[in-house]
Amino acid sequence: EAQVTQNPRYLITVTGKKLTVTCSQNMNHEYMSWYRQDPGLGLRQIYYSMNVEVTDKGDVPEGYKVSRKEKRNFPLILESPSPNQTSLYFCASSFQGLHTEAFFGQGTRLTVV
Amino acid sequence: KNQVEQSPQSLIILEGKNCTLQCNYTVSPFSNLRWYKQDTGRGPVSLTIMTFSENTKSNGRYTATLDADTKQSSLHITASQLSDSASYICVVSVLAYNTNAGKSTFGDGTTLTVKP
Repeated sequence: EAQVTQNPRYLITVTGKKLTVTCSQNMNHEYMSWYRQDPGLGLRQIYYSMNVEVTDKGDVPEGYKVSRKEKRNFPLILESPSPNQTSLYFCASSFQGLHTEAFFGQGTRLTVV
Repeated sequence: KNQVEQSPQSLIILEGKNCTLQCNYTVSPFSNLRWYKQDTGRGPVSLTIMTFSENTKSNGRYTATLDADTKQSSLHITASQLSDSASYICVVSVLAYNTNAGKSTFGDGTTLTVKP
């Protein structure tokens, strides 16, 4: 089954403790992206990757890092999480990015206390 | 600044009725416009994708229109069902050769509630 898998689904952590949210897709898509969704603000793009070893900042990249060492995986790294990063996070992938359908993961609800 | 504005913010209709959601954008240079349906607590699911040359696209009871001149799009839902209750998000992307290649701008969404 074609899918985008995020882990974990839920995470509660403390301020400053590094964490990684994993994202994996099995569709051989070139384009992958991370978003956060907050009440009243909609989805905002954090980082995106057009292909392996190619990443770029979205609209709200501060406090986040990503890597794309292989096509299927696109982890989101929070080096020093802060409470303002409490949010619902979505990973998405698409075949060629801008012109093709995007598939979203099921979401990761992160709480930083 | 690239922006996508959706209206109304929320909408309540009775089952079986039709409705139309609006999306206005200032994103430039335009690449494509997508409509997504997002059920509460789940990831968005694509409904339609339209490029500059397309002005109508249907997916079952969902029909999206695009007027690239006025930078407006609409999503029309026919014969609504209870399962149509969700947030509908308009997303506009920039052209691939622009320095912002790969960037998408999301609207805040319209929350639709269909009541029996």
